[in-house]
Formats: sequence, structure tokens, C-alpha cells
Amino acid sequence: EVQLVESGGGLVQPGGSLRLSCAASGFTFSSYSMNWVRQAPGKGLEWVSYISSSSSTIYYADSVKGRFTISRDNAKNSLYLQMNSLRAEDTAVYYCARDLGCSSTSCLDYWGQGTLVTVSS
Amino acid sequence: SSELTQDPAVSVALGQTVRITCQGDSLRSYYASWYQQKPGQAPVLVIYGKNNRPSGIPDRFSGSSSGNTASLTITGAQAEDEADYYCNSRDSSGNPNYVFGTGTKVTVL
Repeated sequence: EVQLVESGGGLVQPGGSLRLSCAASGFTFSSYSMNWVRQAPGKGLEWVSYISSSSSTIYYADSVKGRFTISRDNAKNSLYLQMNSLRAEDTAVYYCARDLGCSSTSCLDYWGQGTLVTVSS
Repeated sequence: SSELTQDPAVSVALGQTVRITCQGDSLRSYYASWYQQKPGQAPVLVIYGKNNRPSGIPDRFSGSSSGNTASLTITGAQAEDEADYYCNSRDSSGNPNYVFGTGTKVTVL
């Protein structure tokens, strides 16, 4: 059974840093690209970042570029999101999602349950 | 960056058919995928590509596309289909990014 479990969320002050983790199991993690997607309270989904299976290709949303860093450790079956210079508008539930690798669209077929990040003083 | 626009809310009588639309320039180049999200839960992929359903998704869900508009149709809506639905596709403005639609709340009456 495919499982994705996020951790590392919490309360952080504006300007602070936080590192999210996503532990994967039930599939060959090193064969799949992965994504982070977030959802502010009561709002819609926002794609945050993408990383290819070998970490050779990485993309970021403009809203987080230069502040967030996505990475992965295939030996540990883990995905990470280092978040620096956090702002109030980064407050959201952060989901990790597996990417099926559809060339003609995006297709995120498995999602974790999310971890809540709250940026507030 | 590109945007994907959806109607905020639609309603459907139990057992009837409802179509949810998604508009955006990127849909002229890429198919949309569709995600269902129930309160307090993670999104679930229901349609991707031209009209593909992941394993376990009922065949009452189908997708289509024309021009800059993608559609998700639920034929014979059930009470458990009441949820938020988001379209999603690639960004066509030159950035290899993903973009989500604004979301549609589906109410089953």
C-alpha cells in the first residue's frame, strides 16, 4: 500500500525557518517524481514545488522561489521542503504528492494527509 | 503564470448529471487532471490525461476537453460525490510549473 506521511509542521514566527519531511513507503520511491502542494485555511490548492526522481530537475512556484528548497533522499525514501524567510501567507497545510509523470498534463496520484504550518508572531 | 478558472459552486440532484468546467490558456496545450477533496481530507485524483480514471474511481466520472476548456462530468451523482473539485494542468506561459484551478464546490441535493 502506497503511503506518504508528512511531518515537521508547526508554529513559526515570520522570518523563521522550518523543514518539512515526507516519508514514503509501499512503492519504489526512487522511480517517481514528487511534489509539494499547499492549501491555506479555507482556500484552494496551490502547487509549490516539483523534484524529479533523480533530483536533476526542480521547479518552484513564483511565490516561494528563492525561499523554499525541495530535496529528496532516495536511500531514505524521503522528500523534504526547507522553508526559509517564512511569511504569514505561507500558513497552510502542506501535502506531498507522488507524480505519475504524465507528459500531457499533471497527475498526482497519491497524497499524504498533510502537515500544518502556521506563520504567526 | 497561467490561471485556471472554475465556477465556485454547482448543485445536482441525486442521480442526475453534473458538469464542472475549467478554463485556461494552458488547456489549449495540455489536458487537465481533476481532484476531489472532501472536508478534512487530502485530494484524490479522479481523472487525468485525455480521460483516464485511476484504479478505484467509479466510471460515473469522466473528462473531456475542447479548446481552452476542460470538463469533468459526473453521470448519476451520488451523495458521496459532494466535495470540492479542482482542475490542474501544466503552465503554458513558458514555465514548467503546475497550476490548480480555483475549485468548484459540488452539492448533491
